[in-house]
Amino acid sequence: DTAVSQTPKYLVTQMGNDKSIKCEQNLGHDTMYWYKQDSKKFLKIMFSYNNKELIINETVPNRFSPKSPDKAHLNLHINSLELGDSAVYFCASSQGGDRANEQFFGPGTRLTVL
Amino acid sequence: AQSVTQLDSHVSVSEGTPVLLRCNYSSSYSPSLFWYVQHPNKGLQLLLKYTSAATLVKGINGFEAEFKKSETSFHLTKPSAHMSDAAEYFCVVTSSGTYKYIFGTGTRLKVLA
Repeated sequence: DTAVSQTPKYLVTQMGNDKSIKCEQNLGHDTMYWYKQDSKKFLKIMFSYNNKELIINETVPNRFSPKSPDKAHLNLHINSLELGDSAVYFCASSQGGDRANEQFFGPGTRLTVL
Repeated sequence: AQSVTQLDSHVSVSEGTPVLLRCNYSSSYSPSLFWYVQHPNKGLQLLLKYTSAATLVKGINGFEAEFKKSETSFHLTKPSAHMSDAAEYFCVVTSSGTYKYIFGTGTRLKVLA
C-alpha cells in the first residue's frame, strides 16, 4: 500500500554513464515532483509535472530529463553522470495546485557517482 | 519572492524537556507553511501544516506550531521530547498559485538520554 515509491533505492555508477530513476504514486494525484537533496541535507525542487505537463523546470542541467508517461509516473533520466550529481533524489506527489495540499514524498534514491 | 529561514542548524535537548525549532518566512502573498520530519535514511513525513485557518496548528506525535504574522514566524514546539524525535526537521513555505515548495535548510534535533 506504498503511496509514493521509487526504484532503485540505491544507485552506484561511474562517471559518464546514463541512468534512470523511476517514481510511481498510487494516490490518484495529478501533480508530481522531483527534488534533489545534497550532502548538507538541502532540498531543492528540480521539476514538476501536472497531468503529464511540465509546470516547473528549475535551473537544472540539460543532462536531466524528466518523463511522465501518465499521471501516476514521473521518471528521471540522467545522461553523462558527473560527480556532482551524487545526492539523494526524492519524488513527491500532490493533488492539484492548491497551496494547502500536502506533498507526499517517496523514500528517496541515493545516487553515488564514482 | 518567498524564502524560509531555519534559525538553528542543530538543537540538542534532554529527553522529557521541551523542544523549540525556529522558522521565519518571507512571502509576498498569504503563505501556507509546513513542517516535515526526516528520520535517518528515510523520506519526509508531514508533521503539520498552516493554511490560513487556525493560527495554532496541532500535528502528529505531540508537535504543534503557531503562525505569527506580525513576527513572520512559524516555530515548531513539543512539550516533552522523546528519543524517537531525533531527526532532521524542515520548515517549508508556499503560497497561492504556485506548486513550489521552498524548503528551509533544516534543523537537526538531537535528544539526549
